[in-house]
Amino acid sequence: AQSVTQLDSQVPVFEEAPVELRCNYSSSVSVYLFWYVQYPNQGLQLLLKYLSGSTLVKGINGFEAEFNKSQTSFHLRKPSVHISDTAEYFCAVSELDTGFQKLVFGTGTRLLVSP
Amino acid sequence: GAVVSQHPSRVICKSGTSVKIECRSLDFQATTMFWYRQFPKQSLMLMATSNEGSKATYEQGVEKDKFLINHASLTLSTLTVTSAHPEDSSFYICSARDSGTSEATQYFGPGTRLLVL
Repeated sequence: AQSVTQLDSQVPVFEEAPVELRCNYSSSVSVYLFWYVQYPNQGLQLLLKYLSGSTLVKGINGFEAEFNKSQTSFHLRKPSVHISDTAEYFCAVSELDTGFQKLVFGTGTRLLVSP
Repeated sequence: GAVVSQHPSRVICKSGTSVKIECRSLDFQATTMFWYRQFPKQSLMLMATSNEGSKATYEQGVEKDKFLINHASLTLSTLTVTSAHPEDSSFYICSARDSGTSEATQYFGPGTRLLVL
């Protein structure tokens, strides 16, 4: 069964600094990978996704992520964060075994951007 | 595009009553929708997969008689929490896949916060 690990429950960072949110997954079959952002009391908004092709994926709001199959990772990066990036970030995986139907989420990483 | 709405956004009810939550895909058709539950400061847990015109598929440990799902049209799925109790208080989020594409992306609704007194 697949699992998703987000090792950092919280990442504090100063405004305009770079940030990396880590995501590792375990699966023996092909996967699709996603990053979602959740603002307080709201649903999830898709930041970016990897389905196939180039392993470097660019998303909205200046975020990007790189799929590394050998390390089974899909870390999220942004070169310069803003106060408005403060939110909860979830990494998610869907697997070939489920027809890529089901999403399994990591436990989330809270990004705290301070002035 | 790819907007999913939920109604209501917030509901408070008495213990023992039933609550219905609606999930709508506004600009696309969705043969498959998903219902998740999120406890405070935790991740999303898939409760069930809602299939248009057929029975929902529930995840292990989710009581199908407790959480009734109906997906009667290509743009609407409903979740009814029957005989709600305080432990059912949670944030319920739905998502939908665009059946007009082969993409696996799920688009999420804004969530419904349920408080059972």
